[in-house]
Amino acid sequence: DIQMTQSPSSLSASVGDRVTVTCRASQSIIRNLNWYQQKPGKAPNLLIYAASSLQSGVPTRFSGSGSGTDFTLTISSLQPEDFATYYCQQTYSTLWTFGQGTKVEIK
Amino acid sequence: VQLVESGGGLEQPGGSLRLSCAASGFTFTSYAMSWVRQAPGKGLEWVAVMSGGDGNRHYADSVKGRFTLSRDNSKNTVYLQMNSLRVEDTAVYYCAKALDSGDYPRYGMDVWGQGTTVIVSS
Repeated sequence: DIQMTQSPSSLSASVGDRVTVTCRASQSIIRNLNWYQQKPGKAPNLLIYAASSLQSGVPTRFSGSGSGTDFTLTISSLQPEDFATYYCQQTYSTLWTFGQGTKVEIK
Repeated sequence: VQLVESGGGLEQPGGSLRLSCAASGFTFTSYAMSWVRQAPGKGLEWVAVMSGGDGNRHYADSVKGRFTLSRDNSKNTVYLQMNSLRVEDTAVYYCAKALDSGDYPRYGMDVWGQGTTVIVSS
């Protein structure tokens, strides 16, 4: 199975900060990488698909980049509603896997 | 576009449960459907996916041989039959729809249900 490793596991940031979350795959997944946001008690919400495509309705302050094994989710200016947990997911292999999550907390 | 899960509950180790996910608002047969679970206080774990067209199914190693996906296209419903349940299967189970149509979706899951809770305990 392809292992997905996110870093950091958690971070503290202030409103207006630029935030970056990294996801590394155990082998090349080309650009088959998706990002989700999850708030407590809620289902995940798709933010980015195919490494850098913004899902419909998602604010443009969210962006994704990367290919091969290394990927990044960036929030350009953190908003109060962005405090949540973020997950990457690979859909390259037939056995999909998620990263362990990155919790973004208020500083 | 909506997904509604049902069928969760309390079951003893070794028992069985069948989860259902009723879909509406999109062409059900065109999209793969997946199940993702989340144990209490833990991250997301992908469980299984089934394509809309050719019916290909794939399972996480943790559930292979115990869980079975099926779908009834006449009812726009996908099912997850869970047998030989273990304590570690305790989780909220989410049903989700693939963003891209076709038998080999790559673009993640854009519509999710509200989740149904499965508790495995003696």
